[in-house]
Amino acid sequence: DAGVTQSPTHLIKTRGQQVTLRCSPKSGHDTVSWYQQALGQGPQFIFQYYEEEERQRGNFPDRFSGHQFPNYSSELNVNALLLGDSALYLCASTLGQINTEAFFGQGTRLTVV
Amino acid sequence: QQQVKQSPQSLIVQKGGISIINCAYENTAFDYFPWYQQFPGKGPALLIAIRPDVSEKKEGRFTISFNKSAKQFSLHIMDSQPGDSATYFCAARGPYGNNRLAFGKGNQVVVIP
Repeated sequence: DAGVTQSPTHLIKTRGQQVTLRCSPKSGHDTVSWYQQALGQGPQFIFQYYEEEERQRGNFPDRFSGHQFPNYSSELNVNALLLGDSALYLCASTLGQINTEAFFGQGTRLTVV
Repeated sequence: QQQVKQSPQSLIVQKGGISIINCAYENTAFDYFPWYQQFPGKGPALLIAIRPDVSEKKEGRFTISFNKSAKQFSLHIMDSQPGDSATYFCAARGPYGNNRLAFGKGNQVVVIP
């Protein structure tokens, strides 16, 4: 049973560029949430996708956007990268939007230079 | 605004000892309180979780104690082993079961032989 998989594992981008991160949820899961984890901090909720729509959003600017595909996989896009966007980006999947356990991927380490 | 506050920030424990990490939360609408374990370069993995209608839950060497009136919960790791050396995050879900997790800042536990 495949868990949550994310790609790429590491990425280096230049300030001002755009980046796309990818996530495949755990088999059987249909809801994907994205989190940003800065060094030495806990993960911060970015947004959640269910039925191909953004359902909830945390306190992140519009430069952060996402997409969910019919096969439940998801992308996180960040435009106009800032140095402060350097972080570990985590994808978590659940079955449904409420009252279910979240499983996390290994994350994508984004470095903005 | 930090909705979940974790203490202490770091902990050094002798092998065989007890590790205790505390968390406090603010929102009484949170309905599920998980603890995650994270190793360097990996995503968080669910360790144990509790609901607010239960005061204690034990799974193997890991126990959660929950104090609803004080809005606090703690993780106890009994018979700590070097393999338990990791960062531990408390989290709270919701409100109203919406699968959005608010994390504490994390606690680094080091178990020395």
